[in-house]
Amino acid sequence: DGGITQSPKYLFRKEGQNVTLSCEQNLNHDAMYWYRQDPGQGLRLIYYSQIVNDFQKGDIAEGYSVSREKKESFPLTVTSAQKNPTAFYLCASSIQGTNEKLFFGSGTQLSVL
Amino acid sequence: RKEVEQDPGPFNVPEGATVAFNCTYSNSASQSFFWYRQDCRKEPKLLMSVYSSGNEDGRFTAQLNRASQYISLLIRDSKLSDSATYLCAVNPRGYQLIWGAGTKLIIKP
Repeated sequence: DGGITQSPKYLFRKEGQNVTLSCEQNLNHDAMYWYRQDPGQGLRLIYYSQIVNDFQKGDIAEGYSVSREKKESFPLTVTSAQKNPTAFYLCASSIQGTNEKLFFGSGTQLSVL
Repeated sequence: RKEVEQDPGPFNVPEGATVAFNCTYSNSASQSFFWYRQDCRKEPKLLMSVYSSGNEDGRFTAQLNRASQYISLLIRDSKLSDSATYLCAVNPRGYQLIWGAGTKLIIKP
C-alpha cells in the first residue's frame, strides 16, 4: 500500500547534537512538507519542497535543515542551533503542492535529554 | 489576532447528540478550507474539504461563511469513536496551509 513512512517514532537528543528524522513516501507525490506540532498550537511549517533538489523555508526554519535528493525522500535535520526542539514532528506530502489534500506520516516525537 | 482560530474545548457531548464547532480565519482572500481529524499523538487525517456550497459526508456537514470568515463542522448522531481533536486548515497564500490549534471533542457514553 502507498503511504508515508516516518522514522523513528521516538527520538531523544542530547545537548549540542544534530539528529535527523526520516520521511519516505511511495505515493509519487511531488510536494513534501515538514511540520512541527506543540501542545495547544496549530501545525507550523518548517520546510517544504515542491520538486526534487529544491525546497523553501516555512515559518519556523531556523535551526532546521532539509534535503530533497530523491522524490521519495525528504529528511529533516534538527541542528544544535534549535534550542527548543522538543515537539511532535509530522511529515506530509501532496500531489502538487497547491490547495490539496495532505497525506501525513505517523509522526516522530523528539525529546531532549 | 491569529490567522486561524479555534475554540480549544474540550467539548463534552453525550453519545447520540449533535455537536458543532467553528473555525475563524482572518484572511478574506483565503480560497481553500479543510477539516482534519487527529487522534492523540497520531497524524492528522483529512475529514472533509469545505466548499463554498457546503458539503456533507454521512453524519458530517461542513459549511463556509465567507461574510463572517468562518467554517463550521457539524456532527450528527455522535459516536464514541468521534472523540478526537478536529483541526481546521486554511490556505490564504499559495502553497502554505495555516492551521488552527484544534478543538478537542469528547463523546461520553
